[in-house]
Amino acid sequence: NAGVMQNPRHLVRRRGQEARLRCSPMKGHSHVYWYRQLPEEGLKFMVYLQKENIIDESGMPKERFSAEFPKEGPSILRIQQVVRGDSAAYFCASSPRSDGNQPQHFGDGTRLSIL
Amino acid sequence: AQSVTQPDIHITVSEGASLELRCNYSYGATPYLFWYVQSPGQGLQLLLKYFSGDTLVQGIKGFEAEFKRSQSSFNLRKPSVHWSDAAEYFCAVGADSWGKLQFGAGTQVVVTP
Repeated sequence: NAGVMQNPRHLVRRRGQEARLRCSPMKGHSHVYWYRQLPEEGLKFMVYLQKENIIDESGMPKERFSAEFPKEGPSILRIQQVVRGDSAAYFCASSPRSDGNQPQHFGDGTRLSIL
Repeated sequence: AQSVTQPDIHITVSEGASLELRCNYSYGATPYLFWYVQSPGQGLQLLLKYFSGDTLVQGIKGFEAEFKRSQSSFNLRKPSVHWSDAAEYFCAVGADSWGKLQFGAGTQVVVTP
């Protein structure tokens, strides 16, 4: 059973470029969560998606960040016009249901570095 | 507002010694509580969870945690640590019915010979 797959594992971008981070949830999971981990900090919730729907994006910065989870294919976290402060590890997690008591399964993350 | 506090940023423990990691939460209702472990360069692995019932929960890798409502705590323990337990440990609370998690800042555990 494949776990949550994130790619790329490492991504380097120059300021002003776009970053696209991909997440394939575990088989049978239709709920995806994105978190960001800044250096020396815990994970911070960004966005929660179900297939084709954004349910909660209260943790997303208002500008430059967007997320989608299409009917087919992985979930995508997109960061436009990246800045140095976007350097972080971005983690995706999935669960089979959205119950608050459902443990989330995490991918290994994408480490984004901005030059 | 909900919050999760891990008072200890860094703990050093000798191999074979016991380990206790503290976690305090602030939450209006009975929380869903989790402990995750993160090895360098890896994602988070679930150690254990508490939803209801028995306040002492057993997890993987020999870890256990005790929910104490009166103290708003959910401390993680292991009787005898192994060198492979060196990692960062995160306490988390289920912050709403959608399941999104609110994490503490983490505790880095170093195991010495």
